[in-house]
Amino acid sequence: GAGVSQSPSNKVTEKGKDVELRCDPISGHTALYWYRQSLGQGLEFLIYFQGNSAPDKSGLPSDRFSAERTGGSVSTLTIQRTQQEDSAVYLCASSPRGDQPQHFGDGTRLSIL
Amino acid sequence: DQQVKQNSPSLSVQEGRISILNCDYTNSMFDYFLWYKKYPAEGPTFLISISSIKDKNEDGRFTVFLNKSAKHLSLHIVPSQPGDSAVYFCAASSRGGGFKTIFGAGTRLFVKA
Repeated sequence: GAGVSQSPSNKVTEKGKDVELRCDPISGHTALYWYRQSLGQGLEFLIYFQGNSAPDKSGLPSDRFSAERTGGSVSTLTIQRTQQEDSAVYLCASSPRGDQPQHFGDGTRLSIL
Repeated sequence: DQQVKQNSPSLSVQEGRISILNCDYTNSMFDYFLWYKKYPAEGPTFLISISSIKDKNEDGRFTVFLNKSAKHLSLHIVPSQPGDSAVYFCAASSRGGGFKTIFGAGTRLFVKA
C-alpha cells in the first residue's frame, strides 16, 4: 500500500523566498507530524495534527513557519522569507492514532542559497 | 532542553556480537517509548516500542529494556548483522502530552563484517 509521500524531494531556493512543502499521509491516519533534521542533528519536532483538534504548534521555530492540514488529509508546511539556517531535511509522518508508531516519508531536502 | 538524550553519537560492533544502544529521558510524564531506524536518504522506520507498564519488550533480534526509576532505556540487537548499520533514534511521548513525540539525536551503528 502507499506510504507517506512528500514533495518535492529536493528544493533549492534563494534566501528570502517562500517555500511550500507537501505531505500526503497514509489514508485514514488521523495523526500527522512535521519534523526537521538539520545536518548532524536529531529530529526536531515542529507541529502535530491530531484529528479535528487544534494542532500543537509548540515546535515551530518562528512565525515564518506555518502548517495546514486540509480535510484531515494532505498537509503543507510553509516557510516564509527563508533564511540559510532553514536548510534541513523536513520529514512528515502519520499514524493511525497518536499513541501508535509513526510512518515517515522520505523527506524534503531544503537548501537555502 | 533535551528531554530525550542519546549520548553516544556512534557505536561500532563486530558482526554476530551484541549491539547496545542507550537512551535517557528527563520527563517523568513520558509513558510510551519507541526506537526507529534510519538509513541515508530515507525516512525513519519504526523498530520496536515499549509502554511504561512494562520493563522489557522483545521482537526477534531486538529487545528494548526500560528502567523507569533511572529514566533510561536501551535497545539490544543480538546477533548484530551488517544490515543493521544505520542511525537509531530513541523517541518518547506521553498520553498527557497528547502523544507529541520527542526524538533523541540518534546513534549511528556500524556493524563490521
